[in-house]
Amino acid sequence: KNEVEQSPQNLTAQEGEFITINCSYSVGISALHWLQQHPGGGIVSLFMLSSGKKKHGRLIATINIQEKHSSLHITASHPRDSAVYICAVKGNYQLIWGAGTKLIIKP
Amino acid sequence: DTAVSQTPKYLVTQMGNDKSIKCEQNLGHDTMYWYKQDSKKFLKIMFSYNNKELIINETVPNRFSPKSPDKAHLNLHINSLELGDSAVYFCASSHNLAGMNTGELFFGEGSRLTVL
Repeated sequence: KNEVEQSPQNLTAQEGEFITINCSYSVGISALHWLQQHPGGGIVSLFMLSSGKKKHGRLIATINIQEKHSSLHITASHPRDSAVYICAVKGNYQLIWGAGTKLIIKP
Repeated sequence: DTAVSQTPKYLVTQMGNDKSIKCEQNLGHDTMYWYKQDSKKFLKIMFSYNNKELIINETVPNRFSPKSPDKAHLNLHINSLELGDSAVYFCASSHNLAGMNTGELFFGEGSRLTVL
């Protein structure tokens, strides 16, 4: 079993839909990252959080340390949100990566 | 103004050659990383440097050697390239505060290496 599990692996939705991507982990962490990898390959850090909730534009990330679970939400989804979303948790110095969730938003 | 820049973006070379990928960050970060993204798109850390000192060295072949001339640069040298080295290599940086890496990761655009 992987230490970081993401679900779903693939998600296709219509423009405007509310999107939720989940990340569960089994190790003790000091922080959790959400990253976005564009179809062209570039990786962008979306959030780093260690507790609670963060919001940036249409993106919201939450984390529940007790349940070892984080969610990434996208409101009013748009085709430009199509990308792979990756969850990574930080132990000591090392990041442990989830396998990613491929999101496709259709117009 | 590019925060983390890698060069070259694309590199095609023959087996057995020696090549380097350069990485520079202008964010004033203390910690830099090299990741390898394999064909399944999974990211694996290779090396991490903090203030020019190696702090993570995952199990990678000795043919891979990182070099950090200063804390703004972390270059990746690969000797005797093999077919299996073909991948996208990402450089990243973060701020390391008081021995704990508390910063967000900033990635370069990636360098696609193809070994023929």
